Amino acid sequence: GAVVSQHPSWVICKSGTSVKIECRSLDFQATTMFWYRQFPKQSLMLMATSNEGSKATYEQGVEKDKFLINHASLTLSTLTVTSAHPEDSSFYICSASKRELGGNEQFFGPGTRLTVL
Amino acid sequence: GQNIDQPTEMTATEGAIVQINCTYQTSGFNGLFWYQQHAGEAPTFLSYNVLDGLEEKGRFSSFLSRSKGYSYLLLKELQMKDSASYLCAVSPDDYIPTFGRGTSLIVHP
Repeated sequence: GAVVSQHPSWVICKSGTSVKIECRSLDFQATTMFWYRQFPKQSLMLMATSNEGSKATYEQGVEKDKFLINHASLTLSTLTVTSAHPEDSSFYICSASKRELGGNEQFFGPGTRLTVL
Repeated sequence: GQNIDQPTEMTATEGAIVQINCTYQTSGFNGLFWYQQHAGEAPTFLSYNVLDGLEEKGRFSSFLSRSKGYSYLLLKELQMKDSASYLCAVSPDDYIPTFGRGTSLIVHP
């Protein structure tokens, strides 16, 4: 199998603080890691694509200075929400993929629920 | 751009069969995925189609027609626990997947 972990699973913070979320592929080396955000009753919205050792590629409308992504190794990517505000409260999900013949499958982490007070 | 369409909501009866459709227009194609997502949880993988035809896996089957840009997920012998959101996702040329908005399936007794 391919297991992806996320830490923390939930976090509550005060407005203006920064929060770091870790995403790890536990038993495989991830070619690429993706960060998604999901608001209630809505679909996954891709925030950024991260490749090990290179800068993340952000989707249109996602502030790269606010959502800092570091992909230090093939098994770890981090998302830091800087100066968080209540509107950043959401479910953040990472996924990791390993390139396979004919395509790629994503393996999702369990998600991190962020609540900003 | 990439575009994926699927119905917003469907309802079905326990024990019945339901088909969830997905149509897509993408820049290239490297496979189509179906995921199940229960409220408050991350998506879990159900199926992957890259060639035309039907892939069967237990109570769930997935069909793909690349020429029509069309897929469906078929759920048989529905159970209450199948109530969830079902996400269709396509992997285009750049392998960056695009997700549909998801179909919320409600199974009632």
